[in-house]
Amino acid sequence: AQKITQTQPGMFVQEKEAVTLDCTYDTSDQSYGLFWYKQPSSGEMIFLIYQGSYDEQNATEGRYSLNFQKARKSANLVISASQLGDSAMYFCAMRVEAGGTSYGKLTFGQGTILTVHP
Amino acid sequence: DTGVSQDPRHKITKRGQNVTFRCDPISEHNRLYWYRQTLGQGPEFLTYFQNEAQLEKSRLLSDRFSAERPKGSFSTLEIQRTEQGDSAMYLCASSTGTSERWADTQYFGPGTRLTVL
Repeated sequence: AQKITQTQPGMFVQEKEAVTLDCTYDTSDQSYGLFWYKQPSSGEMIFLIYQGSYDEQNATEGRYSLNFQKARKSANLVISASQLGDSAMYFCAMRVEAGGTSYGKLTFGQGTILTVHP
Repeated sequence: DTGVSQDPRHKITKRGQNVTFRCDPISEHNRLYWYRQTLGQGPEFLTYFQNEAQLEKSRLLSDRFSAERPKGSFSTLEIQRTEQGDSAMYLCASSTGTSERWADTQYFGPGTRLTVL
C-alpha cells in the first residue's frame, strides 16, 4: 500500500520569499510518480509539478521546484518568490505501477494550507 | 481551452434521494477517474475508467454508488438513497493514458459539492 505524509498542517510565508512544503512517501514499488497539486478555495485541483522515480534531475516548473530525495523518500515542493495568489491548500500525491497492472489512482496526503502575507 | 467540466457544481438533496453527477473529460483523454474529498482531507480514489471499461473500483464505492462511461467520453456517477455521510466534494479527473502509467498526469475538474440534508 502507498502512503503520503504531509506533516505541516499550515505554513506562513512573506510575499516574495521562498517556502518549502514537506512531503514524505512510502511505497515498495520501484516505478512511481510524485505529483503536487494546488487547491484554491474555489475547490479545483490544479496540477503543478511531476517527478518520476527514475528521474535523475529534480523537476522544475517556473517558480515551482521539487526537491526529490529518493533515499529519504521525500518530495518537497519549493515555491520561490511567493505571491499572494499562492495562498491555497497544497497536496502531494503518488501513483505507482506494480506487477504490470495499471493502478489508476492517485494517493494523496492530508495537505498543507499555505498563507502568503503581504 | 476545454478542461475537465463537471455538472452540477453544487447539489443539495434530502437523505434518501438519488443524485447523478456528470463529468466531461478533456477531449481525447481516454482515462477518467472519480475521487471524493471530505472537508480538510485529501481526495480519495473511487473508480477509474479506461475508455468505456471500468477497470478499478475502491472499496469506498459501496453498492449505492454506480459509475458509467458508456461511450468512452463523458461519465456519470450516481448515488442512490443518499446518506448524510455522502456529503463531500466529488472530483473528476482525466488523463491521456499515452505516457508511462505512473507518469500519466491527471487533470481535475472543478468538482461537484454534494450536501445531503
